[in-house]
Amino acid sequence: DTEVTQTPKHLVMGMTNKKSLKCEQHMGHRAMYWYKQKAKKPPELMFVYSYEKLSINESVPSRFSPECPNSSLLNLHLHALQPEDSALYLCASSQEGVGGSSREQYFGPGTRLTVT
Amino acid sequence: LAKTTQPISMDSYEGQEVNITCSHNNIATNDYITWYQQFPSQGPRFIIQGYKTKVTNEVASLFIPADRKSSTLSLPRVSLSDTAVYYCLVGPSSGSARQLTFGSGTQLTVLP
Repeated sequence: DTEVTQTPKHLVMGMTNKKSLKCEQHMGHRAMYWYKQKAKKPPELMFVYSYEKLSINESVPSRFSPECPNSSLLNLHLHALQPEDSALYLCASSQEGVGGSSREQYFGPGTRLTVT
Repeated sequence: LAKTTQPISMDSYEGQEVNITCSHNNIATNDYITWYQQFPSQGPRFIIQGYKTKVTNEVASLFIPADRKSSTLSLPRVSLSDTAVYYCLVGPSSGSARQLTFGSGTQLTVLP
């Protein structure tokens, strides 16, 4: 199973709402990532978890809160978002070894988020 | 991080071979070249990775000259379904995820 699943596929939320994005993989990967992608732009790294611990936070605003409950799951909690946060949110995973994270990342299909 | 430069867009016809070149003049000794493909509204998909000379898999070939300052992704006999954005990335073969930075990418459009 080389699939990364993300739910929901689409999400519309108001600026005062609280919602969560979910990501799951069963490849035994110990590195998991959240990326944000705006239209016609490349993905931008937001967070990295390594062995269920947050290892990289790319100066993301606190209205985005990641969580890694176990080695297969990754959540992104959203609160008080702004319209400019509307984007495709991608989850990815990769093997983690002595040398660090593999360059072969497996991406999910993403969640299309619209903030109104 | 090595900066990469790719053409913004390319057009091709079905059945042709497509070569997408990526320039990375300040590539470091321990850097590898990695290519990803992304279809609209989907996550990127790893295509191929190489260090020098030539690497081939079932999807593509990657040509890297001796000076490693550029690389060429070759897609044989493209079809309409190969229409996608192709990203070239340069960095160590493993390590900090910060070193995996997506550049602007090349929009490949395959025409019938």
